[in-house]
Order: sequence, then structure tokens, then C-alpha cells
Amino acid sequence: TQLLEQSPQFLSIQEGENLTVYCNSSSVFSSLQWYRQEPGEGPVLLVTVVTGGEVKKLKRLTFQFGDARKDSSLHITAAQPGDTGLYLCAGAWPGGFKTIFGAGTRLFVKA
Amino acid sequence: NAGVMQNPRHLVRRRGQEARLRCSPMKGHSHVYWYRQLPEEGLKFMVYLQKENIIDESGMPKERFSAEFPKEGPSILRIQQVVRGDSAAYFCASYRARETEAFFGQGTRLTVV
Repeated sequence: TQLLEQSPQFLSIQEGENLTVYCNSSSVFSSLQWYRQEPGEGPVLLVTVVTGGEVKKLKRLTFQFGDARKDSSLHITAAQPGDTGLYLCAGAWPGGFKTIFGAGTRLFVKA
Repeated sequence: NAGVMQNPRHLVRRRGQEARLRCSPMKGHSHVYWYRQLPEEGLKFMVYLQKENIIDESGMPKERFSAEFPKEGPSILRIQQVVRGDSAAYFCASYRARETEAFFGQGTRLTVV
């Protein structure tokens, strides 16, 4: 059972376009992380969101945690080829340490 | 994330052999997770360990797979009598106690021939 649903699964866009990817669940998480993974490498942490409704910005990336702490979105403005990779969201269960990962959104930005 | 060290980076085993994958967590991290990733897929949870304890192994097959995190030394994921279906990338992530941010190693790519 996939408890964290990520959409879309795959996204191919032109350089300069904007995009949003989503991470949805029916469960409440104490925190949610976004990671980016490049081919042949391990995932690298981008951001952690903790508070419902929280918005965090990382240069051209904007992360939002849903008010109910069940979902999150990642918006990229003016995508660049260097943004290409697999974007994974991960949720931590309240009161515990177990973290589950979504299946990821594979982004390809064409020059 | 050079702090989490996994070795080997690549491992080739014949069917029926044993595979041992090692993970040295970041300094000060006492929690280790192992994940498996098939090509073009996300990460699948296998096992969660703290020093000398298995906390959650619900994602690990009951046969042939075992994991440990001894008091001294790296965490080991051991796969006995490997089969072709075990071919995958295996990632280790370490955490500091009571935190939820994972720091990943570069993974071990296991190929069973």
C-alpha cells in the first residue's frame, strides 16, 4: 500500500517553464521532507516542513505543507536542466521515527 | 552526503552466493534505515535499526535477508543465496536520535548474475 502518493509520476518540460509536483496522503505526518535524487546517487535532503500551512523557499523552489499536515507541494519557477532528477517526498509518523517515502516524481528539463 | 559511507558501491554476485552490504552512518547518528530501489522506482523501506537493536523490519523479506547494527562498526545488510530478483540499489540512511531528516549514502548497486 502506497501511503504517500506523488504526482505526476513523470514530467518532461522545457527550460524556463514552471511546474508543481504533489505529495498526498490520508495520514497526518509530524513532518515532511523533500529529497532530490540524481542518477547513480543517493537522495539529498532539500527541505523539511513541520507546521501546517508552512511555506519554505529555496531559491526557485517553493515548498508548502498542507494545513492538515497530510499533503505537500513543490513548485519550481523557471526550471533549468540542472533541476532534472527524481523528487521524493517522505513523511514521518507522529510520535515515532518511521519515515515512509513516496514513489517520486521524475522530472526532466530540456534545454 | 559524504558523511554516510556505503561500500561497496557496486557488487556482483552469482546466484546462490551471499551479499554483504555495509553502511557507516554519520558521526553522532544512532539510527539507520535500509531502503531498496529498483530502476525507475522510489525507495522501499526494508529495516530500521538502532545500535544493537532492530526496531522495525517489516519491510524486509523473512527469508535470506538479515540486518544488524552492532555497538561497534558499520551496519550490515546481508542477503543469503541471492537470486536475480535481488538485483537493485540498496541505500542506507542515517538519522540523529529524535530527528526525522535522513542523510543518505551513495548506495550499493547489487547485480546478481
